[in-house]
Amino acid sequence: DTEVTQTPKHLVMGMTNKKSLKCEQHMGHRAMYWYKQKAKKPPELMFVYSYEKLSINESVPSRFSPECPNSSLLNLHLHALQPEDSALYLCASSQGALAGVNNEQFFGPGTRLTVL
Amino acid sequence: KQEVTQIPAALSVPEGENLVLNCSFTDSAIYNLQWFRQDPGKGLTSLLLIQSSQREQTSGRLNASLDKSSGRSTLYIAASQPGDSATYLCAPYGNAGKSTFGDGTTLTVKP
Repeated sequence: DTEVTQTPKHLVMGMTNKKSLKCEQHMGHRAMYWYKQKAKKPPELMFVYSYEKLSINESVPSRFSPECPNSSLLNLHLHALQPEDSALYLCASSQGALAGVNNEQFFGPGTRLTVL
Repeated sequence: KQEVTQIPAALSVPEGENLVLNCSFTDSAIYNLQWFRQDPGKGLTSLLLIQSSQREQTSGRLNASLDKSSGRSTLYIAASQPGDSATYLCAPYGNAGKSTFGDGTTLTVKP
């Protein structure tokens, strides 16, 4: 099973709302990723978790707050977002995130976020 | 900083043609390179992963090659079908511990 699931599929929120995106995998992968993708652009890396610890933060604004409660679950907490944050948010996982470890990435279907 | 270029940006072919998608990257210090396809509004589907020590990887009608020293990879699709229509993305994984994506090649295969 190479499935990564993401909920919700779609989310509409106002600039004062607080919401969370959820990502889950049951492949035993120890690295999980959040990407942001704008229309007709490639995915841009936001965060990497390796063994449930944040290993990469690509200078993402603090209104995005990641959380990795366990090795199967990754959350992205959203607060005080701006309309320009509207995008497809993709989660991915891989066996590892280190050189020499199989880091083939498997992606979820994404959450389409609209900020009003 | 790794920069990835994919050529062509868009490609339209009749069904049955063989085709080649190109990917070039500026930093050859990579561990592997992954090819993905993405259908509109969907997530990415992994097609092939080539380790830096490999020259080629094959899966069905797909064949990917890697020339790490020259910073190039190609994805060869044999006997294209309308179902192959999608955007194809390459992503080298480097020693910064992350992948960098190209802008993709949007392929249309006409019946």
